[in-house]
Amino acid sequence: SQTIHQWPATLVQPVGSPLSLECTVEGTSNPNLYWYRQAAGRGLQLLFYSVGIGQISSEVPQNLSASRPQDRQFILSSKKLLLSDSGFYLCAWSVRVGRSPLHFGNGTRLTVT
Amino acid sequence: GENVEQHPSTLSVQEGDSAVIKCTYSDSASNYFPWYKQELGKRPQLIIDIRSNVGEKKDQRIAVTLNKTAKHFSLHITETQPEDSAVYFCAATLSGGSNYKLTFGKGTLLTVNP
Repeated sequence: SQTIHQWPATLVQPVGSPLSLECTVEGTSNPNLYWYRQAAGRGLQLLFYSVGIGQISSEVPQNLSASRPQDRQFILSSKKLLLSDSGFYLCAWSVRVGRSPLHFGNGTRLTVT
Repeated sequence: GENVEQHPSTLSVQEGDSAVIKCTYSDSASNYFPWYKQELGKRPQLIIDIRSNVGEKKDQRIAVTLNKTAKHFSLHITETQPEDSAVYFCAATLSGGSNYKLTFGKGTLLTVNP
């Protein structure tokens, strides 16, 4: 069966520090991969999605970036965190978007101080 | 692009009552509509989904209805229980082409009072 791993679970970082969140999927090949952010009490905001290695689409202009160095690995990064980057970051995967659901990782709660 | 509106933003019911959450979408070509439940501090989890060739789907106490003409779909929870308390998200998406994105509604906080 397919599983998705996301780490770390929680992270406290000072303003201006770098960020690297990692997500890996097991049990499937060539998944579509996604990064979402959820601010406290708010909805799910799509940040990036990828349909293949090295293919990244950005949804929202920001100081974050994403990379997909391997088929089942998706990384969210920032060179310098802002206070507004605080939130709950969720990685997700799907097999065939549009006819299948997204499966979310457990999320990373990021607090920028 | 797709736009999904979800109502109400909060819903409080008594245990045993029914709860209904409604969503509308803008793109008539959308053909897949999942619903997610998110408990506090946890990840969203799929609870039911429907495709545009079906008008209604039921799974025990949960049902979803789809009206393609009106471009709206609804989640129905019967005989609600305290453990149904959570935030529920609807979503819509296109199949095929270059659109690989699910568009989510803003969520409904459901509280089931014992």
